[in-house]
Amino acid sequence: DQQVKQNSPSLSVQEGRISILNCDYTNSMFDYFLWYKKYPAEGPTFLISISSIKDKNEDGRFTVFLNKSAKHLSLHIVPSQPGDSAVYFCAAKEYGNKLVFGAGTILRVKS
Amino acid sequence: NAGVTQTPKFQVLKTGQSMTLQCAQDMNHEYMSWYRQDPGMGLRLIHYSVGAGITDQGEVPNGYNVSRSTTEDFPLRLLSAAPSQTSVYFCASSSFRLAGGGGKNIQYFGAGTRLSVL
Repeated sequence: DQQVKQNSPSLSVQEGRISILNCDYTNSMFDYFLWYKKYPAEGPTFLISISSIKDKNEDGRFTVFLNKSAKHLSLHIVPSQPGDSAVYFCAAKEYGNKLVFGAGTILRVKS
Repeated sequence: NAGVTQTPKFQVLKTGQSMTLQCAQDMNHEYMSWYRQDPGMGLRLIHYSVGAGITDQGEVPNGYNVSRSTTEDFPLRLLSAAPSQTSVYFCASSSFRLAGGGGKNIQYFGAGTRLSVL
């Protein structure tokens, strides 16, 4: 059973609007959460992260929200830009440095 | 600074052939790992290593072997390739020394190896 789920395979947003990508998890032992961005033919690159003791982390246009009681996190991108079009992976850290990834959401930002 | 380097970028194998996917990092990271990415499955951990001489299995280890003789290198071996191993393979590394009290784990990924097994 997948411990990290991204239930939306794809999302299409108009340039300048907000993009909201969602992620749910089942393991309450996860203590750190990360978002990675991936362009075609490239490896994933780190975008933003949040500790389980926080509920929000912001970095420029990117904000991650964590709702521990609901076991849910979301990535907000405001404003969305065409260059944000990529696959976004949610990941959760369990013991050691091991990461568990979601299946990814394809974001398309239309100009 | 090269980061994580994977070779080759592309490879086609016949069923039963063996090969080694190379991974090298120049960041002196202790932790290295191999993932495979399949459509609709995200990235799944194959094997990982917390330092030279130490390796362990991830979620999908069957059909793959690893070794870690140096801090820099973490090769992934397919002993007898099968069509089910057709995938994109990513190597990643991270440092325990950079982890804060909250247990941060920012893994840095290579560009990937696209493998087809016929």
